[in-house]
Amino acid sequence: DAGITQSPRYKITETGRQVTLMCHQTWSHSYMFWYRQDLGHGLRLIYYSAAADITDKGEVPDGYVVSRSKTENFPLTLESATRSQTSVYFCASSEAGDGPNGETQYFGPGTRLLVL
Amino acid sequence: DAKTTQPPSMDCAEGRAANLPCNHSTISGNEYVYWYRQIHSQGPQYIIHGLKNNETNEMASLIITEDRKSSTLILPHATLRDTAVYYCIVRALSSGGGADGLTFGKGTHLIIQP
Repeated sequence: DAGITQSPRYKITETGRQVTLMCHQTWSHSYMFWYRQDLGHGLRLIYYSAAADITDKGEVPDGYVVSRSKTENFPLTLESATRSQTSVYFCASSEAGDGPNGETQYFGPGTRLLVL
Repeated sequence: DAKTTQPPSMDCAEGRAANLPCNHSTISGNEYVYWYRQIHSQGPQYIIHGLKNNETNEMASLIITEDRKSSTLILPHATLRDTAVYYCIVRALSSGGGADGLTFGKGTHLIIQP
């Protein structure tokens, strides 16, 4: 049972380059989320998706693009990376539906991104 | 989502019960209490949730006071691997059966001592 996986786990890139972080879940959860975690800010929501082809902005979406052509995948793209996007990125999923169980989120292991 | 207050850090001896408090005095009747934890360098991990009754699962127990203004997460026999930051989150269900992003505060850094 793979659960939710992220790749790459570590990435070093340069300012201005395009970077794509991958997220894959095997539970067929409807909802998927991207967060970033920085010292002093905790986790902040970047984008989320309610289903394939449905995405919406979170708290800090600027500089990021997402897509969701398949339920199980939710890639996050930094179109032109900046130093301020150096962070740890976490993907999460939830099955949604009625009740609190559906809103429990399950997180991946994270991707550590360094933008030079 | 209601505001929560947690102590910044706590120590507990290995093998003893770890009791982590959370104050949420402004909680509304439809808001649930969720607990997550984050072990160093890993993603947050769901632990347990409850509305007003006490809850127990294989990881922990959740005790919610009768007025629901505070709760305690109990790890019955703490191990070194339980050293982590523990987050108490209070939130209502999303409208329309959807799911909103979680808001994590600073949490409690629990250190299990050998």
